[in-house]
Amino acid sequence: SQQGEEDPQALSIQEGENATMNCSYKTSINNLQWYRQNSGRGLVHLILIRSNEREKHSGRLRVTLDTSKKSSSLLITASRAADTASYFCATDAGGQNFVFGPGTRLSVLP
Amino acid sequence: EAQVTQNPRYLITVTGKKLTVTCSQNMNHEYMSWYRQDPGLGLRQIYYSMNVEVTDKGDVPEGYKVSRKEKRNFPLILESPSPNQTSLYFCASSLGVGVGNSPLHFGNGTRLTVT
Repeated sequence: SQQGEEDPQALSIQEGENATMNCSYKTSINNLQWYRQNSGRGLVHLILIRSNEREKHSGRLRVTLDTSKKSSSLLITASRAADTASYFCATDAGGQNFVFGPGTRLSVLP
Repeated sequence: EAQVTQNPRYLITVTGKKLTVTCSQNMNHEYMSWYRQDPGLGLRQIYYSMNVEVTDKGDVPEGYKVSRKEKRNFPLILESPSPNQTSLYFCASSLGVGVGNSPLHFGNGTRLTVT
């Protein structure tokens, strides 16, 4: 069962622009996490936001969480070519396992 | 260095030939999990383990087995691989799901091709 759905599926921007990706989920969560995956490699954890938090920052990353809308967004500011990757949200609905969305493929053009 | 180690990185095999993909973590994590990643389908969970000797099915467990005899190891076994199991496989671990709300640490993946 797929809990999280990222939107858009693919995003292409110029270096220096901001990139925003969204994640919607279906059931109540304890926390929501964002991961990055460079082509064919393992996922790397970016940021975790708890259900009682509304916003969190880490460097150029800003994550928001709206539990009333069951949605989250990941903003990458001043994007770089090295940010080119796929981005996934993951939720721990029910605390039994992590469920990943299909991901957003971000391309940052130089 | 804290890490999740998967082996092999690449594996080509034939239908029906039993294989094992190993996964080991050195972080004393309780939770371990296997995922497969296919184009357009994202990551789908195969099996997970909350602790030693405790394993549970994920979303796509058919055709796979796992065991958790030790905390650090969580091998994925394909008793009779079939071509539809051709995929990119990831092992991951964390301190615990729902406890501490800790992130997942992923291995580098195993690209399996079954002909």
